[in-house]
Amino acid sequence: DAMVIQNPRYQVTQFGKPVTLSCSQTLNHNVMYWYQQKSSQAPKLLFHYYDKDFNNEADTPDNFQSRRPNTSFCFLDIRSPGLGDAAMYLCATSRSTGEAQYFGPGTRLLVL
Amino acid sequence: QKEVEQNSGPLSVPEGAIASLNCTYSDRGSQSFFWYRQYSGKSPELIMFIYSNGDKEDGRFTAQLNKASQYVSLLIRDSQPSDSATYLCAVKGSGGGADGLTFGKGTHLIIQP
Repeated sequence: DAMVIQNPRYQVTQFGKPVTLSCSQTLNHNVMYWYQQKSSQAPKLLFHYYDKDFNNEADTPDNFQSRRPNTSFCFLDIRSPGLGDAAMYLCATSRSTGEAQYFGPGTRLLVL
Repeated sequence: QKEVEQNSGPLSVPEGAIASLNCTYSDRGSQSFFWYRQYSGKSPELIMFIYSNGDKEDGRFTAQLNKASQYVSLLIRDSQPSDSATYLCAVKGSGGGADGLTFGKGTHLIIQP
């Protein structure tokens, strides 16, 4: 089945220790997104790629970076995680602009 | 700033009844509207999308869109306990380019057996 896969599902890191979350898709969608979702809050868009074109939301902290080496994979790098970065990180894909987004299962990040 | 508003609930509905979830949005030029279901600790799951004014039905779900009133709703007929979840309304705004969706905070729905 075509799907969006995220690894790991759970990630524990130490304060200030870099961490990388990964996302892959078999849907062959052009657009990939990273969202951050904290408890009882709406998903917050961090950035997205339309093919290789990177789009950063204005209020995404510099601590967050992303890479998309090919159509199938996208990575979220958190350079120096703080306690406030503990959240669920959601990867989503869509075929094109304005179309339905499909989410992966998410990675829950815990910062100690 | 684009905003999507939902009543956070909880909205409690008896099993077998119709659950009605509402959403308003601020960007008058918004084009696409989506409803997602999110179980606790899980990721959002797409239920329906609607682009044009009027109703769109899919099984027990009906999405209703009124662009003049900037209002979109989701009706769930014959509600089941498994429908208990948070329902997120998401809107694609009028901005060009490959931007993401603006999500509401969600309505927590409880179906009482």
